[in-house]
Amino acid sequence: DTEVTQTPKHLVMGMTNKKSLKCEQHMGHRAMYWYKQKAKKPPELMFVYSYEKLSINESVPSRFSPECPNSSLLNLHLHALQPEDSALYLCASSSQPSGANVLTFGAGSRLTVL
Amino acid sequence: AQRVTQPEKLLSVFKGAPVELKCNYSYSGSPELFWYVQYSRQRLQLLLRHISRESIKGFTADLNKGETSFHLKKPFAQEEDSAMYYCALSGSGGTSYGKLTFGQGTILTVHP
Repeated sequence: DTEVTQTPKHLVMGMTNKKSLKCEQHMGHRAMYWYKQKAKKPPELMFVYSYEKLSINESVPSRFSPECPNSSLLNLHLHALQPEDSALYLCASSSQPSGANVLTFGAGSRLTVL
Repeated sequence: AQRVTQPEKLLSVFKGAPVELKCNYSYSGSPELFWYVQYSRQRLQLLLRHISRESIKGFTADLNKGETSFHLKKPFAQEEDSAMYYCALSGSGGTSYGKLTFGQGTILTVHP
């Protein structure tokens, strides 16, 4: 299995809802990432997990809460989001969190906040 | 801080013409540079990285540290090369370790 799988593909939620995005990989990668991508813009890094520990948080608002239950899974818990949080959320993984390692991206979860 | 600049938002060429997508970077350390590509309705994927010094799908890119550039080139463009191309930089240490930063992207359109 050489893919990063993200669920759900699409999510619509209200500003008072609580939801989660899920990401899974079975490549034995030890670094996992969350990126946010607005339309016609590049992906922007949100979080990096290295060996299941949060290593980078790019000053993301606390309404986004990442979780890495094990080396294969990465979650992004969403609560009290704003309409401007609507975007494509990309998960990625790499064998290690070093500079030279290539990221493998998932197809993304498209989030709409009403 | 690390920054990647792609000056062209859009680039159009005809099939068989040479193509060059420009990328300049800013980073105080020793960077790792990549080109990622996103074809229509497909996920973002690696095209090539500077440490490999390889040619993928006819594309090459050379890291020029003096000019802080990593331009992507192909001598003869094909219609299937039409896509969004992102230049990306990863820091090699400190707080940049594991952080991949993307440029704004260039949409390449190859006309028949």
